[in-house]
Amino acid sequence: KAGVTQTPRYLIKTRGQQVTLSCSPISGHRSVSWYQQTPGQGLQFLFEYFSETQRNKGNFPGRFSGRQFSNSRSEMNVSTLELGDSALYLCASSLGRGEETQYFGPGTRLLVL
Amino acid sequence: DAKTTQPTSMDCAEGRAANLPCNHSTISGNEYVYWYRQIHSQGPQYIIHGLKNNETNEMASLIITEDRKSSTLILPHATLRDTAVYYCIAKAGRGSTLGRLYFGRGTQLTVWP
Repeated sequence: KAGVTQTPRYLIKTRGQQVTLSCSPISGHRSVSWYQQTPGQGLQFLFEYFSETQRNKGNFPGRFSGRQFSNSRSEMNVSTLELGDSALYLCASSLGRGEETQYFGPGTRLLVL
Repeated sequence: DAKTTQPTSMDCAEGRAANLPCNHSTISGNEYVYWYRQIHSQGPQYIIHGLKNNETNEMASLIITEDRKSSTLILPHATLRDTAVYYCIAKAGRGSTLGRLYFGRGTQLTVWP
């Protein structure tokens, strides 16, 4: 089975722009979770989508949003980028029952200038 | 979710067993102990998880104390490729935070030749 894929792998944006990141889960997985990793804050949970609905949300401002499509692929969007949004954005997929293992993709490294 | 405590760093000689401890004294009955590792700037890799019993797979063994307040991840024959940050996570099996992973700072394991 193919693993979790994320596109693009690297991205450079400027302050004020918006960005969309994409995540394709493992085949058959219906849950996609997003995490942000920075040197200062470590790995932090952004949100989780299951069956096209946001099921869980972390403590991030409304500039961070996401969606999930009927094929379980997910996108996250960050509007009005700030320098502090520079980070590694990771997505993880799982079957969606909640208690099972999450598998991570390689991440998208975003640099905001 | 229960917080976990891990040493900041550990060293291990190649070919020897690496024993990584984790304290989770406030873990509740429905929380699983998960271990992931992250090699620099890559996505976290799932290693193993358990609830009460000790577990073993092709990568590692997980020893959970009878009172479930601590656990140890054992890499039986560490190699240079095992150098990574290892995260111990207490993950809810049900409830409002179902599916969310809380990452701490982890343990930087360095395997030396």
